Amino acid sequence: QLVLTQSPSASASLGASVKLTCTLNSGHRTYAIAWHQQQPEKGPRYLMKLNSDGSHSKGDGIPDRFSGSSSGAERYLTISSLQSEDEADYYCQTWGTWVFGGGTKLTVL
Amino acid sequence: EVQLVESGGGLIQPGGSLRLSCAASGFIVSSNYMSWVRQAPGKGLEWVSVFYSDGTTYYADSVKGRFTISRDNSKNTVYLQMNSLRADDTAVYYCARGSAFDCWGQGTLVTVSS
Repeated sequence: QLVLTQSPSASASLGASVKLTCTLNSGHRTYAIAWHQQQPEKGPRYLMKLNSDGSHSKGDGIPDRFSGSSSGAERYLTISSLQSEDEADYYCQTWGTWVFGGGTKLTVL
Repeated sequence: EVQLVESGGGLIQPGGSLRLSCAASGFIVSSNYMSWVRQAPGKGLEWVSVFYSDGTTYYADSVKGRFTISRDNSKNTVYLQMNSLRADDTAVYYCARGSAFDCWGQGTLVTVSS
């Protein structure tokens, strides 16, 4: 059974960078995932699809500050030059076996 | 413009039924996977059901046998028929496009309560 694991919370200062992690469990390290952002009181927003080789395709209008990378079973979302509006919940998700990670709540200090 | 608009949510008593609609514009639903995802108050996202472009459907164990996903190609709309509703079905229900959910609707709130 595929499981996506995310840290419940993360924090970083305004203008800094942060790297969020989504970990695939054993036997599923080649899976692609998608990252989604959910700002407070809003619906989810697609950020990008991220492959196991680190290649990624972002949604329309997603700033260059958002990027993705991969290493083994880890899938990363890096946000640089943090802005106040980046404070949100971030979810990873995969398909075929339709699963979401538990989400990471990002606080911008 | 690619857009999804959900409707049909509301307050319903336990054991009742409700049908949600997801109207698409800017693309053809029959050419895409279409899913329903829900979010209970204060909780994370939970996948509910998917309708594949070939007509295959799948459901989360938590709704299997109670919920049915369907599609009306003439209306470019996807539906979620929800029967035998329980309190723990209370959530905002979103529809989403594709395998990577690259387009989301704004959501519709379903509250199951007596």
